[in-house]
Amino acid sequence: AQSVTQPDIHITVSEGASLELRCNYSYGATPYLFWYVQSPGQGLQLLLKYFSGDTLVQGIKGFEAEFKRSQSSFNLRKPSVHWSDAAEYFCAVGPRGEYGNKLVFGAGTILRVKS
Amino acid sequence: EADIYQTPRYLVIGTGKKITLECSQTMGHDKMYWYQQDPGMELHLIHYSYGVNSTEKGDLSSESTVSRIRTEHFPLTLESARPSHTSQYLCASTTGVPGNTIYFGEGSWLTVV
Repeated sequence: AQSVTQPDIHITVSEGASLELRCNYSYGATPYLFWYVQSPGQGLQLLLKYFSGDTLVQGIKGFEAEFKRSQSSFNLRKPSVHWSDAAEYFCAVGPRGEYGNKLVFGAGTILRVKS
Repeated sequence: EADIYQTPRYLVIGTGKKITLECSQTMGHDKMYWYQQDPGMELHLIHYSYGVNSTEKGDLSSESTVSRIRTEHFPLTLESARPSHTSQYLCASTTGVPGNTIYFGEGSWLTVV
């Protein structure tokens, strides 16, 4: 069965420091890959997605993610974190084809930013 | 900016009550979804719809039911709420193109006492 693992439940970084959030997936074939962010009391907002092509994907708010097929990973990165980035981040995968929008989510990583 | 709305945002009700969580989108999306999210846990798909009069159960078993009579509207109903139904319920929608961006509502926090 497909699954998504986000090994870090909480991460704390200093403002201005770099960030990497880890995501590993278990899937029969290369799925669609997504990163979402959820601020307190808000819905989920799409940061970026990978379908095919260049394995380094650029997203909104200065985020990027790299797909590594050999490691079944899709880690999210940001070179310099801002206090407004404090939120919960979810990695998600979806099958290709007709059911591509039936996403499986990881448990999320809560990012805290200290000034 | 996503045009998908959920009401109520927060609800506290007693055991045995019937409740309906509303979800509406004005984007003309065919596909709509309900996810359940317990605090600190993954989102789990509980229902989805690929169009009017189409509803399917998701990966997580749920005692709730849904209907899709109009494209823009996808309400979720619990006939008799129990404390185990306490959770956050997130509605989402997208176009019919596989892999397209899924837009989420702000969620409905349900507490059953």
